[in-house]
Amino acid sequence: DTAVSQTPKYLVTQMGNDKSIKCEQNLGHDTMYWYKQDSKKFLKIMFSYNNKELIINETVPNRFSPKSPDKAHLNLHINSLELGDSAVYFCASSHFGRSYEQYFGPGTRLTVT
Amino acid sequence: EDQVTQSPEALRLQEGESSSLNCSYTVSGLRGLFWYRQDPGKGPEFLFTLYSAGEEKEKERLKATLTKKESFLHITAPKPEDSATYLCAVLILTGGGNKLTFGTGTQLKVEL
Repeated sequence: DTAVSQTPKYLVTQMGNDKSIKCEQNLGHDTMYWYKQDSKKFLKIMFSYNNKELIINETVPNRFSPKSPDKAHLNLHINSLELGDSAVYFCASSHFGRSYEQYFGPGTRLTVT
Repeated sequence: EDQVTQSPEALRLQEGESSSLNCSYTVSGLRGLFWYRQDPGKGPEFLFTLYSAGEEKEKERLKATLTKKESFLHITAPKPEDSATYLCAVLILTGGGNKLTFGTGTQLKVEL
């Protein structure tokens, strides 16, 4: 069984489009995260949700909107895509009290043309 | 500003050639330092937790150590399957919760 899954794995789209990435975890964790990894492999946190509530919101453009329908899901919707949004997006989850031990999904490679 | 710096950016070793990776940090409110391994096309995988200076952790050919300003990941007699990008991260207390701040990683290649 996959612990943290993301769909799609690859996403190619044009500038100005709106797209969503879905994430699901079956580990029973209460905290989920979105990270962006750029072309230089730098991994930076974007958002964190605990029990469906937003607890960390880094300096991310308003075009990015996370949504957590329940503790096991955290989706990322991106409006008006720009070239600079091209990156690999990782979802992760953890127990709130063990937020250092995060389990990552396989990533979604987003390419904006 | 909180910073995590890893060196070298890339390292190529022969099988059996031991070496060390460095992670230096300047953070306030440090709540621990952590090592992750990332294979190509995959998400990072948790390896070690270090909380206080002098602490050491071992797993197979890997040993992580921590001082007040840096951490080392020692690789003893590496094998090709140890090839990966190794990321260190620090846990920082923020207003909303703890967050991991990652370094840029060291890409390790172990050759036969």
